[in-house]
Amino acid sequence: AQKVTQAQTEISVVEKEDVTLDCVYETRDTTYYLFWYKQPPSGELVFLIRRNSFDEQNEISGRYSWNFQKSTSSFNFTITASQVVDSAVYFCALSGGFYGGSQGNLIFGKGTKLSVKP
Amino acid sequence: KAGVTQTPRYLIKTRGQQVTLSCSPISGHRSVSWYQQTPGQGLQFLFEYFSETQRNKGNFPGRFSGRQFSNSRSEMNVSTLELGDSALYLCASSSPGTGNSPLHFGNGTRLTVT
Repeated sequence: AQKVTQAQTEISVVEKEDVTLDCVYETRDTTYYLFWYKQPPSGELVFLIRRNSFDEQNEISGRYSWNFQKSTSSFNFTITASQVVDSAVYFCALSGGFYGGSQGNLIFGKGTKLSVKP
Repeated sequence: KAGVTQTPRYLIKTRGQQVTLSCSPISGHRSVSWYQQTPGQGLQFLFEYFSETQRNKGNFPGRFSGRQFSNSRSEMNVSTLELGDSALYLCASSSPGTGNSPLHFGNGTRLTVT
């Protein structure tokens, strides 16, 4: 069965600190996709990044970076120099592979609530 | 480009009633998915529609149903509401084709069942 675990329920940091959000996944698929979404208080889930299982290259986008390690089934997310606007709930998600998988069926972790204090 | 639009934003219903929620996807997106979000269970997949056909269904009772129209707009219906159906219902759309394109979510409909 597919599963996503975000062990950190809540994290509180002070502005400008770096913070890493952990994500561990389980799947038997050889082809799969991993995602990170941000949910601000307004409720909308905002797409941040998608990674397929064949691409283990780390990615950096501004203050955001992602570390994908298949060997440990982890897809961690780091925010550098955090800001108050980064306060939100962050979700890691997994979807089945291309073949036989559905585009719209994501397995979400429970989320990590990040609070960045000024 | 307009995002995913869900109506209404808030809804209060009484146990036993039924409710219909609406979702308009991003223009050009033909796949629409629905999710239920509760504090206890988190985000759970309800169903997905593509070209008016249900492509996948999550583990929810038959009281939860949906449909998609020819213009890709989608509705979901919950009959015989229970207190446990109180949740944020999120709709998401994605562009056609293969390969798990990312889902784009709406702001959701917050349903309260009393």
